[in-house]
Amino acid sequence: DTGVSQDPRHKITKRGQNVTFRCDPISEHNRLYWYRQTLGQGPEFLTYFQNEAQLEKSRLLSDRFSAERPKGSFSTLEIQRTEQGDSAMYLCASSLALAGAGTGELFFGEGSRLTVL
Amino acid sequence: AQSVTQLDSQVPVFEEAPVELRCNYSSSVSVYLFWYVQYPNQGLQLLLKYLSGSTLVKGINGFEAEFNKSQTSFHVRKPSVHISDTAEYFCAVSETGGSYIPTFGRGTSLIVHP
Repeated sequence: DTGVSQDPRHKITKRGQNVTFRCDPISEHNRLYWYRQTLGQGPEFLTYFQNEAQLEKSRLLSDRFSAERPKGSFSTLEIQRTEQGDSAMYLCASSLALAGAGTGELFFGEGSRLTVL
Repeated sequence: AQSVTQLDSQVPVFEEAPVELRCNYSSSVSVYLFWYVQYPNQGLQLLLKYLSGSTLVKGINGFEAEFNKSQTSFHVRKPSVHISDTAEYFCAVSETGGSYIPTFGRGTSLIVHP
């Protein structure tokens, strides 16, 4: 049983550096979501893809953030010129939406924890 | 737009006691409702969900929740908790007919004492 996998699990970087996270969703899922979770908070939506199309982006996703899902399978989330405020857990989730309709039930990976020094 | 309020940030309870974690939501349309559990250093996993039908839903590990449309609530309960239930619990809502992007509450930390 292959769930959602994320890599790396932990990343420590210096302010100003670029970082990239990868997410491999459940293979038959057509939707992929990125959320951010900070200490004491619930997950906050960043963006989501249906197949390879990025359909929605949150205002939290500043122009330093970019996400891709080039072949509708795995996805990458890149943060350029990291700031200390970017320190958080970045969660990836996937789901199956048939004919564009879903429920919002998500299957999460274990997250990628980013620490910006 | 939908929103979720989890009224308690922390709920301490003794082992074998009952527990209720509270969740209220706001939406102008029909919703789907979820509870997720996050154990330390792990991702979120689905505890239970309400999509339609019976307002009383059962989930994993003996948890159950009741959807109350008039009170816009979706509280989750367990009659007798175990030490292993210590975790962070998140309520989430997504709107039907929309983009199905769930909005999460801030979480409730359930702390079970021996």
